[in-house]
Order: sequence, then C-alpha cells, then structure tokens
Amino acid sequence: DTEVTQTPKHLVMGMTNKKSLKCEQHMGHRAMYWYKQKAKKPPELMFVYSYEKLSINESVPSRFSPECPNSSLLNLHLHALQPEDSALYLCASSRSGTRGQETQYFGPGTRLLVL
Amino acid sequence: QKEVEQNSGPLSVPEGAIASLNCTYSDRGSQSFFWYRQYSGKSPELIMSIYSNGDKEDGRFTAQLNKASQYVSLLIRDSQPSDSATYLCAAFRDTGRRALTFGSGTRLQVQP
Repeated sequence: DTEVTQTPKHLVMGMTNKKSLKCEQHMGHRAMYWYKQKAKKPPELMFVYSYEKLSINESVPSRFSPECPNSSLLNLHLHALQPEDSALYLCASSRSGTRGQETQYFGPGTRLLVL
Repeated sequence: QKEVEQNSGPLSVPEGAIASLNCTYSDRGSQSFFWYRQYSGKSPELIMSIYSNGDKEDGRFTAQLNKASQYVSLLIRDSQPSDSATYLCAAFRDTGRRALTFGSGTRLQVQP
C-alpha cells in the first residue's frame, strides 16, 4: 500500500481567511514533503520534514506554515494568501531521506483557489 | 543551466510504437533517479526508479541510466493512448540538500 491521502480535495479561500491542508500516510514513512504545482510546471518543493523535524524550508513566505504533529500527519496552515498562491498543493512521503529509501509517493493533491 | 533537463515536447508516437523519453542532469551528487507520470489535473504517479548504471525493466517500461554521461531515459514499449501524459524525470542527491529535483516534464501523445 503506497497511499498518501490529502484533504480537502478542493479549497476556495479569500485573502483574509485562515485554512489548513491535511496530509496523512500510514506506511511508516519518516519523511514528508509539501510541494506547490502551477499549471504546466513541475512540482516545486516547499518544505521537507524528516523524523518530524523541519529539515528544508525553500524560503517559503511565512503565510504558509507547516506542521508535523506526528510521523503520520503533515499539515500546511494558510493565512493571508494571495491570488498567485492558487495552485495544486501536493503532499508526498518517503521511508526516509537516505539512499535507497527516498522514493516519494504523492497524494492526490489539494486544488487551492485564492480569491 | 537547469539541474534536470527534459524536452518539453509534445512527443507524438503512434499506438503500438516505442516512446523514448530523455533527461539529462547536471548535479553529479545525484545518485537516485525517478520517472513519474502525471495526467492533467492529477498528481504524479511513480513509474520507475533507477540507482545503478544500465537498464531496469518493469513491464512495458525500461529505464536507462548512464552516470558518466549524466543521462536518464525511459522507454515505453507498445505505447497506448492511455500512456498520453506528462512524464517527469527527477533526481535525488544523497548528500547535502537531500531533495528531489524535477525536470520540467515531457508531454507524450500516443495517437490511436
């Protein structure tokens, strides 16, 4: 089973709203990732958590706030977003970040529209 | 220079033909390579991973890696219209910044 789940599937929010995206995996993976993908572009890495610690932040604006409450869950808290933040937000997980265990499996994504 | 480069396509092949997708990478610290398939509006789906020089086959798919030339390819035999998608090549480096770097993707169209 290589399932990563994400909720919600779709989200529409105003620029003053606060919302959260949720990602869950039960594969025992210890690395989890947030990506942002715009149309016709490859996924763009935002954050990496390794063993529940933030290991990479790709200089993402503070209006995006990640959280890893436990090894199975990853959240992305959104606040005061801009219309240009509209995109497909993808979560992925891998067993770890070490060699041979870094195969990443993606969730179905959350399609976000900021009005 | 992009770290992982792919021809954006579209690559158009007739049904039943072999589709050949290519990717080059610039970071010699990359040791693991992946091919993902992405249908429009969907998330990337892992097709193949390859770590060693040579060929790796899985069903209709063969991945090839040549670390000396910094080249990765994906062959799809007996292409089907359902293979029409964007194929993303990704490289993972084992040291330092351990993260996947994606190419921009090649759009494949299989004509019935």
